[in-house]
Amino acid sequence: AQSVTQLGSHVSVSEGALVLLRCNYSSSVPPYLFWYVQYPNQGLQLLLKYTSAATLVKGINGFEAEFKKSETSFHLTKPSAHMSDAAEYFCAVSEATSGTYKYIFGTGTRLKVLA
Amino acid sequence: DTEVTQTPKHLVMGMTNKKSLKCEQHMGHRAMYWYKQKAKKPPELMFVYSYEKLSINESVPSRFSPECPNSSLLNLHLHALQPEDSALYLCASSQDLGGGDTQYFGPGTRLTVL
Repeated sequence: AQSVTQLGSHVSVSEGALVLLRCNYSSSVPPYLFWYVQYPNQGLQLLLKYTSAATLVKGINGFEAEFKKSETSFHLTKPSAHMSDAAEYFCAVSEATSGTYKYIFGTGTRLKVLA
Repeated sequence: DTEVTQTPKHLVMGMTNKKSLKCEQHMGHRAMYWYKQKAKKPPELMFVYSYEKLSINESVPSRFSPECPNSSLLNLHLHALQPEDSALYLCASSQDLGGGDTQYFGPGTRLTVL
């Protein structure tokens, strides 16, 4: 069965510091993996997605994530945090096989950026 | 245009009311979704429509009734809701119902049930 685990429900970084948000998954088939960002009272916006084309995926707003099959991880990073990065981040895994469809979100990580 | 619109933005209703949420996209997407999101929680999938047919119902109570009148529109009809149904309701769409398809989300409707 598919699942997604996000380590750390809250992460605080200083402005200009490295951002690292952790996501581990389990899937019985090669997964599709996504990172979304959600600002207060808004919908989710896709940051990036992994669909097996390349293990290092670059997204919007300077974010990137690396798919590591051996570690079943898809951690999100950004070299230098900006105040505007403060938001909730969700990792998600999806699978569509033989008439079934699953799209599962992790529990989310709230990123706080300190001035 | 990569926008999914939702109306209304906010809705307050009593437990005996009937109301509807509306979602619209003009990206030519053939899959549309309803999610429920409680505060400080991830979105939970409720319904999925593919090519205007209901493909997935995640055991949602019958007081929630989805409708897909055409490929651009998705409604969620609400009747006899409970206070615990108060949440942010998100609509999303994707090109198709494939595992790698990106879902585009609307801004949501904040529902309060009194």
